[in-house]
Amino acid sequence: EVQLVESGGGLVQPGRSLRLSCAASGFTFDDYAMHWVRQAPGKGLEWVSGISWNSGTIVYADSVKGRFTISRDNAKNSLYLQMNSLRPEDTALYYCATSIVVVIAPFDYWGQGTLVTVSS
Amino acid sequence: QSVLTQPPSVSGAPGQRVTISCTGSSSNIGAGYDVHWYQQLPGTAPKLLIYGSTNRPSGVPDRFSGSKSGTSASLAITGLQAEDEADYYCQSYDSSLRVFGGGTKLTVL
Repeated sequence: EVQLVESGGGLVQPGRSLRLSCAASGFTFDDYAMHWVRQAPGKGLEWVSGISWNSGTIVYADSVKGRFTISRDNAKNSLYLQMNSLRPEDTALYYCATSIVVVIAPFDYWGQGTLVTVSS
Repeated sequence: QSVLTQPPSVSGAPGQRVTISCTGSSSNIGAGYDVHWYQQLPGTAPKLLIYGSTNRPSGVPDRFSGSKSGTSASLAITGLQAEDEADYYCQSYDSSLRVFGGGTKLTVL
């Protein structure tokens, strides 16, 4: 059974940093691209960033480019999101999700999300 | 404002057919990119419902179907059931980046 478990969320002040993790199991991790997708409270889905199976291709939404860094460790079956210079508008539930390739493929599986709240 | 436009809400009685539209432009759906649909039940993570505009993953009932024409796509649900009450999102690509519709809340009357 595919499992994606996010962690690392919490309350953080504007301008500070936070690192999210996603632990994957139940599938061959390095066969898949991975993504972060977020959902602000009561709002819709917003794709944040994606990384190919070998970290060779990395893409970001314009809203986080230059502030967020996605990475993965295939030996640990883990995905990460380093979030710097956080803003109140980054407040959201952050999901990790799989896709067979980084650019053109649906999100096959989703985790349950970790909540990030940016507030003073 | 989302790149892909969906109606905020639709509703239907049990057994009826409803459709949810997803309108894009020549830089996304109209450029030939696939459209995917996700179902988000209350309090849960999204789930892939339709991929490649018309295909259902294993386990998704054939009551759900997708179509695409020009700069728009649609999700149709026939034989509406109470458990279909959820938020539905379309997703495609624009300038090679992934974009979502704003979401549609389906209410089963």
